[in-house]
Parts: sequence; structure tokens; C-alpha cells
Amino acid sequence: SQTIHQWPATLVQPVGSPLSLECTVEGTSNPNLYWYRQAAGRGLQLLFYSVGIGQISSEVPQNLSASRPQDRQFILSSKKLLLSDSGFYLCAWIGGAADPRKAQYFGPGTRLLVL
Amino acid sequence: QKEVEQDPGPLSVPEGAIVSLNCTYSNSAFQYFMWYRQYSRKGPELLMYTYSSGNKEDGRFTAQVDKSSKYISLFIRDSQPSDSATYLCAMRAMYNNNDMRFGAGTRLTVKP
Repeated sequence: SQTIHQWPATLVQPVGSPLSLECTVEGTSNPNLYWYRQAAGRGLQLLFYSVGIGQISSEVPQNLSASRPQDRQFILSSKKLLLSDSGFYLCAWIGGAADPRKAQYFGPGTRLLVL
Repeated sequence: QKEVEQDPGPLSVPEGAIVSLNCTYSNSAFQYFMWYRQYSRKGPELLMYTYSSGNKEDGRFTAQVDKSSKYISLFIRDSQPSDSATYLCAMRAMYNNNDMRFGAGTRLTVKP
């Protein structure tokens, strides 16, 4: 069965510090991968998605970046965090060939607090 | 107007009540409709998945899609305290896996 991991679970960082959040998927190959941000009381905002290694599409201009160094690994980064980067970051994947529904499945999330 | 509208609640019901959660949308190209349940400080989990119009039942949960009215619903029968969570509707067009649109979520509390 497929599993998605995210770490760290919680992170407190000072303004101006760098960021690296990691997401890995097990049990599938060549998934589409997504990074979302969920602010308190608000919906999910798509930040980046990737359809393959090295292929990144950005949905919103900001100080965040994403990379996909391996088929099942997706990384969200920042060189200098802003207060507005605080939120709940979710990684998601689309089911592979065995799942015709193509529904998105989410990881456990990383709660980021920038102080 | 937002593409997907969902009443944020909060909604509070007694245990055993029937719960109705709803979303409206404006894009007639949406064909796939999903409901996610999100417990506090957890990632959303897929609850129901439907294609086009019609009903789908899974245990105590029933999802309804009315494409003519651009309206989807999730019904929870015999609600339990463990159903207390935020429920997100989501939808997308047929040939665009990467463009999923989400409602803001409805927070539900089921009181014992």
C-alpha cells in the first residue's frame, strides 16, 4: 500500500532563517506530487506541483521554492523565511496507474511557525 | 465569487443527528467531486469520491452531486463524536489532475 511521509512534524524558525521540508512517498512510482499551504481558518493554497524528477510548476510567486531530486521525494525550501510563511504545509500525491480515481492523498503535514 | 463556496460553520450537533454538509461551485467543467475529513493538526483524508452526478453511499456517509445546480452534499447518518472534524469539499475537471479546487472547510462538532 502507498504511504506518504512528511518531516518535521513541527518547526519553529526565526524570521530570515532557511527552510527545508521533506516529503516522501512509498509504494508507488512516478506520482504527481503537490505542496499546499493551509492557513488557519482558510482553504488549501497550492504552492507547487511536480509531474516528474526535476519538473516543478509554481502556482504562486513567493520566497519559497521546490525541488524533486528523486522520483518519490519532494522538497520545499526557502532561503529566508518571512512571518507570513507560517502555516500548515501539506504534501499530497495523485494515485498512480493502479488508482483510476486520481484523487489526491495527503501527508500528515508540517506545522511551521515563523517568529 | 469564489469558484468553490463552502459554509465554514462551525456546525454543532448532538450525537445521533443527521449532518448535512454542502458546497456550491461555479465551473461547469468539474466532473470529479471529493470530500475530505481533517482532524485537528492532521492532514486531510479522503472520505468520499464521486464522478459526475448521482449518489454514493459508504456506511454512514452519503455523497450527492447535482451538476445541474452545481451543488454537492455530504450526509452523515447517526453522527458520532469521532466525526468531529473539518470537512473539505474538493473538485476538478476531467483532464486536469493538477488543478484541484477546495472549499474552505466546514468545522463540525458532534456532542455526546
